[in-house]
Amino acid sequence: SQTIHQWPATLVQPVGSPLSLECTVEGTSNPNLYWYRQAAGRGLQLLFYSVGIGQISSEVPQNLSASRPQDRQFILSSKKLLLSDSGFYLCAWSASNRGTQYFGPGTRLLVL
Amino acid sequence: GQQLNQSPQSMFIQEGEDVSMNCTSSSIFNTWLWYKQEPGEGPVLLIALYKAGELTSNGRLTAQFGITRKDSFLNISASIPSDVGIYFCAGKGGSQGNLIFGKGTKLSVKP
Repeated sequence: SQTIHQWPATLVQPVGSPLSLECTVEGTSNPNLYWYRQAAGRGLQLLFYSVGIGQISSEVPQNLSASRPQDRQFILSSKKLLLSDSGFYLCAWSASNRGTQYFGPGTRLLVL
Repeated sequence: GQQLNQSPQSMFIQEGEDVSMNCTSSSIFNTWLWYKQEPGEGPVLLIALYKAGELTSNGRLTAQFGITRKDSFLNISASIPSDVGIYFCAGKGGSQGNLIFGKGTKLSVKP
């Protein structure tokens, strides 16, 4: 069966520091991968998605970037965090174009 | 662009009551999904619908893919305290494009 992991689970970072959040999927190959941000427990904002290694599409221009160095690994990064980057970050995967997405447990990021 | 309206935004109900929530879209969808999210966790898929008119149950949960392909509803029968959470609908039109999510229905159940 497929599983999706995210780490760290929680993170407290000072403004201006770099960020690296990791997401890995097991039990499937060539998944579509997604990064979402959720503020205040409501509303999922799609940040990035990837249909393959090295292929990243950005939905919202901002302070963040994403990379996919391996088939089942998706990384969310920032060079300098802003206060507004605080939130709950969710990674998800789907198989080809069926559309059904499965979410990871999330990373709660607090920027102080 | 495509829009998804989910209602109600929140519900406060008594344990044992039935619950109904729905989503409507501005365009036709080929997939309707319903998720539940508990505090501090990722959304969990409850029911997936892939065909207009499809009615699917998962325990006390029932969801339907509207025949117009522009709406879906989720019903929860005989609610219990552990039903508390935020329920999201999501839809997708065609083989291209990504899921569009509703803004969620926050369910509170009073024992």
